Amino acid sequence: SQQGEEDPQALSIQEGENATMNCSYKTSINNLQWYRQNSGRGLVHLILIRSNEREKHSGRLRVTLDTSKKSSSLLITASRAADTASYFCAPGLDNYGQNFVFGPGTRLSVLP
Amino acid sequence: DADVTQTPRNRITKTGKRIMLECSQTKGHDRMYWYRQDPGLGLRLIYYSFDVKDINKGEISDGYSVSRQAQAKFSLSLESAIPNQTALYFCATSDWNGYTFGSGTRLTVV
Repeated sequence: SQQGEEDPQALSIQEGENATMNCSYKTSINNLQWYRQNSGRGLVHLILIRSNEREKHSGRLRVTLDTSKKSSSLLITASRAADTASYFCAPGLDNYGQNFVFGPGTRLSVLP
Repeated sequence: DADVTQTPRNRITKTGKRIMLECSQTKGHDRMYWYRQDPGLGLRLIYYSFDVKDINKGEISDGYSVSRQAQAKFSLSLESAIPNQTALYFCATSDWNGYTFGSGTRLTVV
């Protein structure tokens, strides 16, 4: 198993701005997933990008993956107060996206 | 109904008591997990199960035990609760699309 390292640890922006958070990992992966956690709630799956993909979009979310640099980024465009949450990346080691380990995440605060 | 249901949602228990946290899922996934989250930290894996007959320890299994009663049910027990087991506990399932988490059980040991 391996842990994704999210950066920055905390991010504060104004509503309407874009938010970018990054994830680095150490070994080869099959895919990488991003999750959101609202305070005290369970993690919610946002998006999965496979190792043969470079970019993926889902609504206001854009995820990139650079396997040569072992890094991924999550961009949230036109952020809203409801996007305030912690965001976690999970490098997946097999077809099931198994990772087991989640890092401390990026705490995003979107100010109205 | 939620895909992954955890009971209870909140529990306060005394030091030394045995407590069981229950998890059931309707996803039909074989793989199930128990995680613990402490304030400001990531999730740490307690136990995981790839099928009914397969149970594996995670990084912080000491003081915990699990039972996989069926494909849909995976329970976590604290044999003798201690205050530093106060945390938010999550059950999860997974398939090739990723994880599905329950809403969590907030456990306080006094």
